[in-house]
Amino acid sequence: AQSVTQPDIHITVSEGASLELRCNYSYGATPYLFWYVQSPGQGLQLLLKYFSGDTLVQGIKGFEAEFKRSQSSFNLRKPSVHWSDAAEYFCAVGPPGGYQKVTFGIGTKLQVIP
Amino acid sequence: DTAVSQTPKYLVTQMGNDKSIKCEQNLGHDTMYWYKQDSKKFLKIMFSYNNKELIINETVPNRFSPKSPDKAHLNLHINSLELGDSAVYFCASSGGASGANVLTFGAGSRLTVL
Repeated sequence: AQSVTQPDIHITVSEGASLELRCNYSYGATPYLFWYVQSPGQGLQLLLKYFSGDTLVQGIKGFEAEFKRSQSSFNLRKPSVHWSDAAEYFCAVGPPGGYQKVTFGIGTKLQVIP
Repeated sequence: DTAVSQTPKYLVTQMGNDKSIKCEQNLGHDTMYWYKQDSKKFLKIMFSYNNKELIINETVPNRFSPKSPDKAHLNLHINSLELGDSAVYFCASSGGASGANVLTFGAGSRLTVL
């Protein structure tokens, strides 16, 4: 069965500092991987996805993530955090192919301090 | 135009009542989903429909009944509401150019059972 682990429930960073959110997955082969962001009172919005090819993927809002097969990881990074990045971030995994079940991690809440 | 819209946004009701949440997407996607997000932000899939056909049915009490009158609509009816049903319910859709596994979420419907 596929699963996702986000080891950090809550992270606090200063505005302008770099950010890395950790995600580890469990899946038998190479899965489809996603990062979503949820602002308070809102639905989830896709930040970026990895299906195949280049293991460093760029997303919206200046985010990037790197797929590392050897570590079963898909960590999310941003070089300089803005106060508007404060939100809940969810890593997700799904089997390749269409219309399959996507499993979400428990989320990491990001707090940005001035 | 909102891509995935859910109504109502808030729902407060008594135990034992029956309630429905409606969802509509105007993205032309073939697949729609219901996810439940509990108080700890854990997001779990409940159901998925592809072209009006049920394709994912997780272990959900049979008090929950999804209905898809057409591929643009997926409604969720809940009978005999219990305290544990209190959560935020998210509708999502996927398909088209964005890919079958990329979910577009609605803003959520917060259900409170008293």
